[in-house]
Amino acid sequence: GAVVSQHPSRVICKSGTSVKIECRSLDFQATTMFWYRQFPKQSLMLMATSNEGSKATYEQGVEKDKFLINHASLTLSTLTVTSAHPEDSSFYICSASPTITEAFFGQGTRLTVV
Amino acid sequence: GQQLNQSPQSMFIQEGEDVSMNCTSSSIFNTWLWYKQDPGEGPVLLIALYKAGELTSNGRLTAQFGITRKDSFLNISASIPSDVGIYFCAGYPVGGSNYKLTFGKGTLLTVNP
Repeated sequence: GAVVSQHPSRVICKSGTSVKIECRSLDFQATTMFWYRQFPKQSLMLMATSNEGSKATYEQGVEKDKFLINHASLTLSTLTVTSAHPEDSSFYICSASPTITEAFFGQGTRLTVV
Repeated sequence: GQQLNQSPQSMFIQEGEDVSMNCTSSSIFNTWLWYKQDPGEGPVLLIALYKAGELTSNGRLTAQFGITRKDSFLNISASIPSDVGIYFCAGYPVGGSNYKLTFGKGTLLTVNP
C-alpha cells in the first residue's frame, strides 16, 4: 500500500509554545490530506481537511486559529498546534489517499503539553 | 457526523479461536475499509472492499461487503497473540464528501495465549 509518513512520533512541549507536525505522502501525490485527533480508547475524530494550494476546511468545533494547517505541496501537509495547553495533549494522526477508494494513515504523533 | 455501528466493542478470546466483527449503517456505502491499530501507532489498512457482495481475503483475514451496501464484516481465523489491537471499520458513504471517511468506534481484540 501507499506510504504516509508522519513526524515527529512523540513531542513534549511547554504550555504556551507551538508545535508543528508534518505529514508526508512518500510515494504518491495528495491534493487532499486529513488530520485526526484520537482520545484514549476512542475512534478517530476528523479535525480538518487539508487542501493543497488552498485553505483547510475545519470540522465544526475545531478552532482554526489553534490548529493551523498548511498544505504547501502535493506531498506535505503540516499541522501547527499554537499556544498549546495541557488539554491539547492527544494523539494526532494524518491520512492521505492516492485514490478516492482508500486511505492510508501516518504513524501518529503523541503530543504532551506540560 | 455520521458514524458506523461497529460491534462488538471488545472481545477476549483464546489463541486459535476464530473472530468475527461487523459494521452496520443506515446509509449506503460504496467502499468499506478495515483497519487495525496497534497502541501508539496509526491505523493500518487490512482489507478494502468496493462492490456489494464482494468477499476478500488477506491471509487469515476475510471481509465481506454486504449485499445491501449498508454493512460489512471482518473475520479472523485461527487467532494469534499478534492479532491483538483495535480494529476499525470505515467507509465512504454514497453522497458523502470526496475522500472523507466515516469510522466505526472500533473493536478491541485481546488474544490470550
